Amino acid sequence: GAVVSQHPSRVICKSGTSVKIECRSLDFQATTMFWYRQFPKQSLMLMATSNEGSKATYEQGVEKDKFLINHASLTLSTLTVTSAHPEDSSFYICSARDQNRGTNTEAFFGQGTRLTVV
Amino acid sequence: QKEVEQNSGPLSVPEGAIASLNCTYSDRGSQSFFWYRQYSGKSPELIMSIYSNGDKEDGRFTAQLNKASQYVSLLIRDSQPSDSATYLCAVRSSKIIFGSGTRLSIRP
Repeated sequence: GAVVSQHPSRVICKSGTSVKIECRSLDFQATTMFWYRQFPKQSLMLMATSNEGSKATYEQGVEKDKFLINHASLTLSTLTVTSAHPEDSSFYICSARDQNRGTNTEAFFGQGTRLTVV
Repeated sequence: QKEVEQNSGPLSVPEGAIASLNCTYSDRGSQSFFWYRQYSGKSPELIMSIYSNGDKEDGRFTAQLNKASQYVSLLIRDSQPSDSATYLCAVRSSKIIFGSGTRLSIRP
């Protein structure tokens, strides 16, 4: 299957600082990538849809000024958690679909980033 | 009503038996259906995808889709301890929505 690489896998930061998470599609182009957040023992919650060359689409209740998404190329999307607080501690996961395989295809996930804000 | 519903479990199945995981969805316009396996602390990995009514088999896994009943299931034959994980059902219409997952435990 297609490979999606996410970095870093784990990060600890101080409250009030910002953290950037990268999501790369390694062997395919992805005009659309998705960012999810997963709290312990809960399912994946879609935060936003990242669109290459345009603004991201945020889900209801997700603060776009706090979770900045940039999708500057067909293989890279970044999520920046600004002014992080302990309640932002979570598992952040990106996913992407291989557009060249058509619309009826599965999404592949990055390895996830465990963010801990202290 | 949740868009994608799963029984949270835990579902305990003896080794070698068949594990049956179920999922219902609310959007009749959904066209793609997926089962992901997620180990604790790890990212989900795709197990099966199914797009049309009926059964789809891949090794020990069989996905079943019934669009009229808005129901999709996953059968795992000859269950192994390594199958113990949380299984996420995902449905796509305009975006991919995940169920809350079913925790499966295979007891030796």
